[in-house]
Amino acid sequence: SAVISQKPSRDICQRGTSLTIQCQVDSQVTMMFWYRQQPGQSLTLIATANQGSEATYESGFVIDKFPISRPNLTFSTLTVSNMSPEDSSIYLCSVGSGKTGELFFGEGSRLTVL
Amino acid sequence: GNSVTQMEGPVTLSEEAFLTINCTYTATGYPSLFWYVQYPGEGLQLLLKATKADDKGSNKGFEATYRKETTSFHLEKGSVQVSDSAVYFCALSGTYKYIFGTGTRLKVLA
Repeated sequence: SAVISQKPSRDICQRGTSLTIQCQVDSQVTMMFWYRQQPGQSLTLIATANQGSEATYESGFVIDKFPISRPNLTFSTLTVSNMSPEDSSIYLCSVGSGKTGELFFGEGSRLTVL
Repeated sequence: GNSVTQMEGPVTLSEEAFLTINCTYTATGYPSLFWYVQYPGEGLQLLLKATKADDKGSNKGFEATYRKETTSFHLEKGSVQVSDSAVYFCALSGTYKYIFGTGTRLKVLA
């Protein structure tokens, strides 16, 4: 299993500002995933972060809006840039188990944009 | 493409009632199927899984059977408890590309 810590757990932000979410894993992993969970909706994959290369973004998500860093095998950050109220969501970091196919999730970062 | 359809909630039950949360999927190939649970204020955690047709996943009294003929993976529990109150997500996976259902909120009343 993997233990994932995310910071901040929640924040209230002003429109037009940016916020960086940190994700720390207790073991080395090749891929880290960033999801968005909008109120009352399912999880949507934003991007896959690989160490040593640029993140791979899903359709509808772009690097300028959601820049990702992956400086080493246990850490990643997701920045939500130029926020608007539509960005109010829970952002989740996750890693996978190559053996079981299971995904492990952090507790999420709940962002409210005013 | 792949998709997961999950029954809408909220589902409200009395303690010790029988629970069914329906989940159907469309997929190419043979994905693995999962149920994740999200307790209030927490991240998602795996509840159970099945990796091939006719497999039954089980955990904490919950069960789900991978039915290829009906493309379903319904979650069941014979007697729910107040502590089962949470949001339940059905998901399928093909090579780390997870597709999640919309989630079903379950509220169990004492």
